[in-house]
Amino acid sequence: DAGVTQSPTHLIKTRGQQVTLRCSPKSGHDTVSWYQQALGQGPQFIFQYYEEEERQRGNFPDRFSGHQFPNYSSELNVNALLLGDSALYLCASSSPTSGAFYNEQFFGPGTRLTVL
Amino acid sequence: AQSVTQLDSQVPVFEEAPVELRCNYSSSVSVYLFWYVQYPNQGLQLLLKYLSGSTLVESINGFEAEFNKSQTSFHLRKPSVHISDTAEYFCAVSGTGGFKTIFGAGTRLFVKA
Repeated sequence: DAGVTQSPTHLIKTRGQQVTLRCSPKSGHDTVSWYQQALGQGPQFIFQYYEEEERQRGNFPDRFSGHQFPNYSSELNVNALLLGDSALYLCASSSPTSGAFYNEQFFGPGTRLTVL
Repeated sequence: AQSVTQLDSQVPVFEEAPVELRCNYSSSVSVYLFWYVQYPNQGLQLLLKYLSGSTLVESINGFEAEFNKSQTSFHLRKPSVHISDTAEYFCAVSGTGGFKTIFGAGTRLFVKA
């Protein structure tokens, strides 16, 4: 089992550009959540996708958008990048049918985004 | 709305000494509680979780946490730490009917030889 995978590992962009981050969930998982972890802080919930729709969203502007594909993989898009968007972006997958706990999430290694 | 407060940003401790990482939460609804560990340049790994039942939960590597509803706390403890326990530890809360997980700011555990 490959677990949750994310690509790319690192990314450098300049202000105003757009970026797309990708996530493949753990095998058997159908729900994907995205988190932003700024340096020295805990992860902040961006949104969650289930059945190709955004199910819940955190306090992030509309510049942050996402997509889930029929194979349950997901993309996070960020438009008009700001310096403050520099962070580690974590993807987590889960499944209502996995184990005994609905909300248990498995995290990927993250994508480190640097905005210059 | 839920929130999590980790009371210590850094905890230095000598190897084989006991340690406690403190976590308080606030929520108007029933919650699930978690501790995650993050090693440098890695994602988060679930250390242990409280869902219901016994208020004392244990992990396979010697950590334990106790859910105290009256004090709204979920402190993490280990009786004897190892150098390899050096990492960032995050306390987190999730509503039983919701989907998102709220994380604390993290506590950096630094184990010294």
